[in-house]
Amino acid sequence: QVQLVESGGGVVQPGRSLRLSCGASGFTFNNYGMHWVRQAPGKGLEWVAASLYDGNNKRYADSVMGRFAISRDNSKNTLYLQMNSLRFEDTAIYYCAKSGRDYGDFHWFDSWGQGALVTVSS
Amino acid sequence: EIVLTQSPATLSLSPGEKATLSCRTSQSVNRYLVWYQQKPGQAPRLLIYDASNRATGIPARFSGSGSGTDFTLTISSLEPEDYAVYYCQHRSSWPLTFGGGTKVEIK
Repeated sequence: QVQLVESGGGVVQPGRSLRLSCGASGFTFNNYGMHWVRQAPGKGLEWVAASLYDGNNKRYADSVMGRFAISRDNSKNTLYLQMNSLRFEDTAIYYCAKSGRDYGDFHWFDSWGQGALVTVSS
Repeated sequence: EIVLTQSPATLSLSPGEKATLSCRTSQSVNRYLVWYQQKPGQAPRLLIYDASNRATGIPARFSGSGSGTDFTLTISSLEPEDYAVYYCQHRSSWPLTFGGGTKVEIK
């Protein structure tokens, strides 16, 4: 079955960087769009970034544009989120999520990881 | 950016009652509307995609309807495991956005 496992979370000072990883198994990784979605403590869900199935196209929320970079290594079945210039408001659980169907623009999330907590604190 | 507004913020109902949750979008998303359920300490779970298609393994008591800007998630008869927060999300254009959520609590 599909499994997504995030790693790399932790406590970081404002302005510093952090990289999250998401290891995927149970499906043909390179055929699917992959996303990062975050949830601040006690708040709702916020879509952060997408790596489309073709591996070349990427999309970002305005709140992270220019600071975060999504990438993927299809040979390792791994998705990444490089987070630079971190701010207090980036504190959240970061979920890795898989698009609902292979190829195309099927941007609903049918599988989620358990989440990685990122805390930005001085 | 398309804004999604969910109502009510909290719904207090007893087991066996019918729950009706609303999601309105600031512009038409056709039928590209998705529903999730989230319980405390857990990742969200996909319920409905493209307005009315139940995801794999989702019980028939969950149904979705709507198109354009007005959407509804209906739980026909609440089971104890259905008490949770429900979010809608559109996939009509970038950026993808979520609604603020509706909490279904035990009355």
